[in-house]
Amino acid sequence: KAGVTQTPRYLIKTRGQQVTLSCSPISGHRSVSWYQQTPGQGLQFLFEYFSETQRNKGNFPGRFSGRQFSNSRSEMNVSTLELGDSALYLCASSLFPRGHSGNTIYFGEGSWLTVV
Amino acid sequence: EDKVVQSPLSLVVHEGDTVTLNCSYEVTNFRSLLWYKQEKKAPTFLFMLTSSGIEKKSGRLSSILDKKELFSILNITATQTGDSAVYLCAVRSTNAGKSTFGDGTTLTVKP
Repeated sequence: KAGVTQTPRYLIKTRGQQVTLSCSPISGHRSVSWYQQTPGQGLQFLFEYFSETQRNKGNFPGRFSGRQFSNSRSEMNVSTLELGDSALYLCASSLFPRGHSGNTIYFGEGSWLTVV
Repeated sequence: EDKVVQSPLSLVVHEGDTVTLNCSYEVTNFRSLLWYKQEKKAPTFLFMLTSSGIEKKSGRLSSILDKKELFSILNITATQTGDSAVYLCAVRSTNAGKSTFGDGTTLTVKP
């Protein structure tokens, strides 16, 4: 079956703009989590959605937001982009919410965002 | 106060789809979690879960409990029109057998 699909793969934006990234989880998975990966900070948790509800949120400013649709597809949005938002944004899907015993998490290939 | 929250409140799918219903709870002195199916009559018992991580299966239905994250899911694969119903989640405490019900998830399966 198809894996986790993220779009777009690469994009370049200027400071002050906003961006929307999309993630389609594995069919049947209802948990979608978003992560930001940078060389300096490593992999940092943004938020998690399960059944269209945000279950957990990391320590990011309100410029970072997300949502999940009834078909489990998820989007994350970053408004008023800053240079420091340049990163690889990873989406992960799983059958159960994060932390569930025996849960297997599948990552997408990520969206590379460059802010200039 | 004990609380049971089910999501989504309603769901419309087509035959053959897979659905996952969620039940989150906050209960003092948890004893067990139960799933019921209710059509135009009294609820029909589906599963009782007491231990985390052990999946219970009955045909196309399965359910699992996570006592750490305080939730359970009910999974239905290859849905059929006969699966259309309200699915109720209830949590029973050790306090004199008190049960708290969620508001239910109304599932509609279209042909």
